[in-house]
Amino acid sequence: DTEVTQTPKHLVMGMTNKKSLKCEQHMGHRAMYWYKQKAKKPPELMFVYSYEKLSINESVPSRFSPECPNSSLLNLHLHALQPEDSALYLCASSRALSGNTIYFGEGSWLTVV
Amino acid sequence: GNSVTQMEGPVTLSEEAFLTINCTYTATGYPSLFWYVQYPGEGLQLLLKATKADDKGSNKGFEATYRKETTSFHLEKGSVQVSDSAVYFCALSDKTGANNLFFGTGTRLTVIP
Repeated sequence: DTEVTQTPKHLVMGMTNKKSLKCEQHMGHRAMYWYKQKAKKPPELMFVYSYEKLSINESVPSRFSPECPNSSLLNLHLHALQPEDSALYLCASSRALSGNTIYFGEGSWLTVV
Repeated sequence: GNSVTQMEGPVTLSEEAFLTINCTYTATGYPSLFWYVQYPGEGLQLLLKATKADDKGSNKGFEATYRKETTSFHLEKGSVQVSDSAVYFCALSDKTGANNLFFGTGTRLTVIP
C-alpha cells in the first residue's frame, strides 16, 4: 500500500497568519519531499529530507520552514505568506534517494488572502 | 542536463478511442521514467514506470516502453474511458543522489461519451 496522507486538504490563511501543513507516511520510507504546484503547471521541488535531515532546499523563501520530527512525519510551517504562494502543496516519499520511485499525497490546497 | 518534452494538450477523445501521449527526454546517464496522473482536484498518482531500456511499464490498460534509441516513453491506451479524463505528466529521475523528478508540462486529456 503506497499511501502518503496530508492534512489539511484545504487551508485559507491571511498574510500575517502562522499555519502548518502536515504529512505522514507509514511505508518505512526514509526520504520525504515537499513540492509546490501552481495551476496548470507541473510540480516544483521545494525540499528534500533524507533520514530526517534536510538534504535539499531549492532556494525556497524563509517564510516556508520545513520540519521532519521523525521518519514518518514531515511538516511545512508557513508564516507571512504572500498571495502568490497560493498553490497545491504536495508531500511525497520514497524508500530512499538515488533512483527510488516517489509517491505523492493528495496535496493541501493553500489560499493566501 | 535533464529535461522532458511532452505533447502539448489539451487532448479530447471519444470513449473507446486509442490514446497516445508523446514524451521524449534528455538525460545524462540512464534515467528511470515515469507517468503520473492527476485527476481533477487531486494529487499525483503513479501510473506506471520503467527503470531501464526496453522495459515496458503497464497499469490500468495504459502502457509505455522505454526506448533508449529514440529517447522516448510514449503513453498508450487502446480504449479510453470517461474516467481516464485527467492530466498526465511524464517524468524522469536521473538516479543520482538528489532523486529529483524532472516533469514534462503535462497533457490534459478529456474523454467524452
